[in-house]
Amino acid sequence: DAKTTQPPSMDCAEGRAANLPCNHSTISGNEYVYWYRQIHSQGPQYIIHGLKNNETNEMASLIITEDRKSSTLILPHATLRDTAVYYCIVRALFSSNTGKLIFGQGTTLQVKP
Amino acid sequence: DAGITQSPRHKVTETGTPVTLRCHQTENHRYMYWYRQDPGHGLRLIHYSYGVKDTDKGEVSDGYSVSRSKTEDFLLTLESATSSQTSVYFCAISEEVVQPQHFGDGTRLSIL
Repeated sequence: DAKTTQPPSMDCAEGRAANLPCNHSTISGNEYVYWYRQIHSQGPQYIIHGLKNNETNEMASLIITEDRKSSTLILPHATLRDTAVYYCIVRALFSSNTGKLIFGQGTTLQVKP
Repeated sequence: DAGITQSPRHKVTETGTPVTLRCHQTENHRYMYWYRQDPGHGLRLIHYSYGVKDTDKGEVSDGYSVSRSKTEDFLLTLESATSSQTSVYFCAISEEVVQPQHFGDGTRLSIL
């Protein structure tokens, strides 16, 4: 599975959009981009995933560049409850270690009043 | 939220004792996973299951065993607990391998 690079931390003002970048320059054609977040002391929470098209759900939008080497998670109107560690994970459709998610260090997003 | 219950939520035990953690799901999902989370290591996969009685090892399986006799229950056993197994343990489920995994609230295990 391809590795990902994320900034260690970001700040965002409450009510503004939070844009979290992820670099996955070695991604291959059968690998999806997944985003999870982990609020302090809770289990990771699935947010969104995509292959090559932009995706949107009730929580966020995922923008994947045309060459698929990077992506951005967008939280359109961040609230204090969105303060968490956000993980970008690239995972093959069929992995040699079936189902394994490789969690890196993630980005700590601090939403400020 | 996915119907996942981990028990116990907290446990303190002594080195050398056996410990069993339980993950119970009400979603009828085929796949179940056990991860551990430690500072500086993120989440690491211990074992996973792809059906009743079908399990396989993850990247940090030494010292752990699992069992799945029913779709809804996935047990993680530490045969003889060691201090290095002090960690937060998370269970996750997914409908199929390519579907997103949904996590429980974790079990905080301390081995003294």
